[in-house]
Amino acid sequence: QVQLVQSGAEVKKPGASVKVSCKASNYTFTNYDLTWVRQAPGQGLEWVGWISVYNGNTNYAQRLQGRVTMTTDTSTSTAYMELRSLTSDDTAVYFCAREGQLNGSPFDYWGQGTLITVSS
Amino acid sequence: QSVLTQPPSASGTPGQRVSISCSGSSSNVGNNTVNWYQQLPGSAPKLLIYSNGQRPSGVPDRFSGFKSGTSASLAISGLQSEDEADYYCAAWDDSLNGPVFGGGTKLTVL
Repeated sequence: QVQLVQSGAEVKKPGASVKVSCKASNYTFTNYDLTWVRQAPGQGLEWVGWISVYNGNTNYAQRLQGRVTMTTDTSTSTAYMELRSLTSDDTAVYFCAREGQLNGSPFDYWGQGTLITVSS
Repeated sequence: QSVLTQPPSASGTPGQRVSISCSGSSSNVGNNTVNWYQQLPGSAPKLLIYSNGQRPSGVPDRFSGFKSGTSASLAISGLQSEDEADYYCAAWDDSLNGPVFGGGTKLTVL
């Protein structure tokens, strides 16, 4: 069964950085792209960005450009999302999700989510 | 303010049929396929419908999706208590060059 297992919750101070990991298993890691989505408390889903695991190409949400970096380590089948200059608006659960090979590239498997709390 | 518009809430009794709408524009729903996700309380979203009306394996045929023009809808027939969840529509947006989501619809089974 495909699994995406994310790192644990973190509490950060404003201005700090955070790096969330997403370890994939039970599928060929390089065959599928990965997307990151976040969900602020009590709010809806917001796309953060996308990375091609095959070649490392990325595409980030415009409002996060310059603060977010996505990378992968194919030797460990792990993806990373780093977010810098954190503010309270970045408090959210961050999900990684696999882009499936079904028509329309839906997000067919999701990680369990990582709660990032930004508080002084 | 989400790019795709969904009603914030919907409800029905067990066995009923409910429908959730998703309204967009020509740059997203009108020109690209729509996916639907179900998010149970405290859980990650789960793919429910892809490519407007296709069901991934394991999703009951009680769930169906439809798209026409710049609007889409999710229908759930034979409503069950375990269907109580938040439902999100999503589509690629050509102008924003990324996927956009609806604000989510909280479904209550009375």
